[in-house]
Amino acid sequence: AQTVTQSQPEMSVQEAETVTLSCTYDTSESDYYLFWYKQPPSRQMILVIRQEAYKQQNATENRFSVNFQKAAKSFSLKISDSQLGDAAMYFCAYRSGRGTSGSRLTFGEGTQLTVNP
Amino acid sequence: KAGVTQTPRYLIKTRGQQVTLSCSPISGHRSVSWYQQTPGQGLQFLFEYFSETQRNKGNFPGRFSGRQFSNSRSEMNVSTLELGDSALYLCASSLRTGALIGEQFFGPGTRLTVL
Repeated sequence: AQTVTQSQPEMSVQEAETVTLSCTYDTSESDYYLFWYKQPPSRQMILVIRQEAYKQQNATENRFSVNFQKAAKSFSLKISDSQLGDAAMYFCAYRSGRGTSGSRLTFGEGTQLTVNP
Repeated sequence: KAGVTQTPRYLIKTRGQQVTLSCSPISGHRSVSWYQQTPGQGLQFLFEYFSETQRNKGNFPGRFSGRQFSNSRSEMNVSTLELGDSALYLCASSLRTGALIGEQFFGPGTRLTVL
């Protein structure tokens, strides 16, 4: 079974600064997808960024980028130029690339990010 | 295009009762997945439905069940409620399932409190 671990329960950053959230995972599969989701106080889960395991290039979405280290099974999220609206719980998630696994996501414990003005 | 909707948003029940939660996916989406979120266990996968068939099931007791209708709307049912069933129940929809699933979109959740 796959597991996802986020070792930082809480993180804080000053507005306009950069912060990195850590995530490690364990799997014996070679085909999989990794995601970062954001859950603000409204509780609506929002996809921030995704990474396909077969792609060596790290994914980037505006101020959000990942550092994907496949051999180390590490998938960190870097938020640049942090904004007050970035404050939320961030979840790292894994999805198998096997068709039989469907849409099942395995989530980490989450990291609560605070952005200080 | 309307997003994923879940009803009701809040629910209070007592132990031993049963409850039904509803999820309407984005128009055209055929896959609906359900998750339970609690402070102690985090986010856990309950099950996935695609084209009215259960495709995957998480490690939950048989008290948790679900179904999907021909219009892709899904319901989940919890019978004989226990205090530990208090949680935020999230559903997510996607166009497809399997390898070409694409992005999943989450609903706002149903907050269930069991007294």
